[in-house]
Amino acid sequence: AQKITQTQPGMFVQEKEAVTLDCTYDTSDQSYGLFWYKQPSSGEMIFLIYQGSYDEQNATEGRYSLNFQKARKSANLVISASQLGDSAMYFCAMREIFGGANSKLTFGKGITLSVRP
Amino acid sequence: DVKVTQSSRYLVKRTGEKVFLECVQDMDHENMFWYRQDPGLGLRLIYFSYDVKMKEKGDIPEGYSVSREKKERFSLILESASTNQTSMYLCASSLSARATYEQYFGPGTRLTVT
Repeated sequence: AQKITQTQPGMFVQEKEAVTLDCTYDTSDQSYGLFWYKQPSSGEMIFLIYQGSYDEQNATEGRYSLNFQKARKSANLVISASQLGDSAMYFCAMREIFGGANSKLTFGKGITLSVRP
Repeated sequence: DVKVTQSSRYLVKRTGEKVFLECVQDMDHENMFWYRQDPGLGLRLIYFSYDVKMKEKGDIPEGYSVSREKKERFSLILESASTNQTSMYLCASSLSARATYEQYFGPGTRLTVT
């Protein structure tokens, strides 16, 4: 069974600084995908970034990058140059790649990030 | 842009009522999902569908059913609403079952059962 762990309490960061949101995972699968989603107070889940387990380079999308350490089973999200609009809840999720139609996305419990002006 | 819409943002129902939550996506996605989100529990999968008229139970299907008569529409049904079904309900869709494809979410329906 897959498991995602996000244990940080509410995180605070000063505007324009970088912040790292932690995510560890547990799986017996060799092939899997890792995702990060953002959920602002409006409620909609917004996809941020994806990392495949066989990708050799860490994924980057604009100000978001994923610090992937496969041996440690961690997939931390790094947000550079934080903006006030980054204040939201952030979810880490994973899915096995060859699970077919029955392969579901497993989510962590989320981390709340607050950006201070 | 992919658009996933849900019929209501806020809904208040009475215990015992039959409740329909509708979800529509406009990008011809194969897979559609229903989650509920509760504080401290993250998102939990209720049901998903990988084709018209096909459905699979997720982690917490009890008390719910689903219907997918058309590819773009996936409905969640609470046959007899109970107070413990008060929650935020999120619908999602993805292009295919491949893990490399992200899920796109709707805005959510906050359901209160009194």
